Amino acid sequence: AQSVTQLGSHVSVSEGALVLLRCNYSSSVPPYLFWYVQYPNQGLQLLLKYTTGATLVKGINGFEAEFKKSETSFHLTKPSAHMSDAAEYFCAVTSASKIIFGSGTRLSIRP
Amino acid sequence: EADIYQTPRYLVIGTGKKITLECSQTMGHDKMYWYQQDPGMELHLIHYSYGVNSTEKGDLSSESTVSRIRTEHFPLTLESARPSHTSQYLCASSEEGFTEAFFGQGTRLTVV
Repeated sequence: AQSVTQLGSHVSVSEGALVLLRCNYSSSVPPYLFWYVQYPNQGLQLLLKYTTGATLVKGINGFEAEFKKSETSFHLTKPSAHMSDAAEYFCAVTSASKIIFGSGTRLSIRP
Repeated sequence: EADIYQTPRYLVIGTGKKITLECSQTMGHDKMYWYQQDPGMELHLIHYSYGVNSTEKGDLSSESTVSRIRTEHFPLTLESARPSHTSQYLCASSEEGFTEAFFGQGTRLTVV
């Protein structure tokens, strides 16, 4: 069965600093992996996804993630944090009939 | 652009009332989902559907029920609301296969 673990329920970085949000997955089949962002009182918005092919995936708002099969990881990064990046971030993996979400990471940006 | 809509956005209702949360999508997606999200952020799948006349219970037990009479519509009903039902409810849809889900903006339910 597929599962997702997000390391760190809260991450705080300074504006302009590197953002790194960690996600590890467990899957018995080649996974499809996603990162979503949720702003206050909103639904989830897709940031990026990995299905097949290139392991470095670029998404919206300058975010990218790298699929590392050997490490079963799909960490999300952004070179330079902006105040508008403050939100909740969810890593997800598709299972046979469902989408399995991690527990989420709250990203705070310090001025 | 995703077209999935939830109404109402906010609802405050008394204990014992029957409520229906509406979810509609215009993308023709076969799969639809309901998630419950508490203040701690984690998303719990409570119901999903493969298509018309298909409904399945999710990973988290819920007293709510769902129906799927039309492809575009996936309402969630609570026959008798209780304070423990206070939460945010998110509806989503996706195409067949291992594709991403598109989310509505959510309904924040408060039962007093």
